Amino acid sequence: DAKTTQPPSMDCAEGRAANLPCNHSTISGNEYVYWYRQIHSQGPQYIIHGLKNNETNEMASLIITEDRKSSTLILPHATLRDTAVYYCIVRVAPDNNYGQNFVFGPGTRLSVLP
Amino acid sequence: DVKVTQSSRYLVKRTGEKVFLECVQDMDHENMFWYRQDPGLGLRLIYFSYDVKMKEKGDIPEGYSVSREKKERFSLILESASTNQTSMYLCASSSTGTGTGELFFGEGSRLTVL
Repeated sequence: DAKTTQPPSMDCAEGRAANLPCNHSTISGNEYVYWYRQIHSQGPQYIIHGLKNNETNEMASLIITEDRKSSTLILPHATLRDTAVYYCIVRVAPDNNYGQNFVFGPGTRLSVLP
Repeated sequence: DVKVTQSSRYLVKRTGEKVFLECVQDMDHENMFWYRQDPGLGLRLIYFSYDVKMKEKGDIPEGYSVSREKKERFSLILESASTNQTSMYLCASSSTGTGTGELFFGEGSRLTVL
């Protein structure tokens, strides 16, 4: 079973920031938070991951609470192409790379509206 | 750009046929995976492989087998296709060791069994 809880759907206006929450209250100390997204009819795409510090890359920012029980993925200026299902996943450290640690739940369906 | 290529985007087969789904990655990754994705059930891991000729069962291996004769290629085999195997099949790969630990996915193969 997925160790994360996400809202099933969210809307966001084009050009505004999209803030996608994720609850992972049972996260262990050696588990990272990963975010993927899946655009319709394509394979999932990696976005970002983090352990306890906030992270930023060219796609998004990841804010992890101090107790690590929840996180928020931020798309700073959402576009129509960001419409997708977003998955929040917790898994053990990257040096244990067996894919069985990636458990994809139902995710959040983000709709970016014009 | 890193690439995971699945041989067919769309297949239609008849019940009882033997089906081969091929996946090739060009990143010299050690680990390769097969998932299936169904509405309401998310992505479920079928099999994975962490080395040539090695394979491990995932969460739903029944009715499937796999083959990994070369590092870059991982095949999913349906010995006798059934209608309940109609699904989207996703191949992924990842690297062992330090790094982001991310999975790289192919575009998916949508299989319909009649």
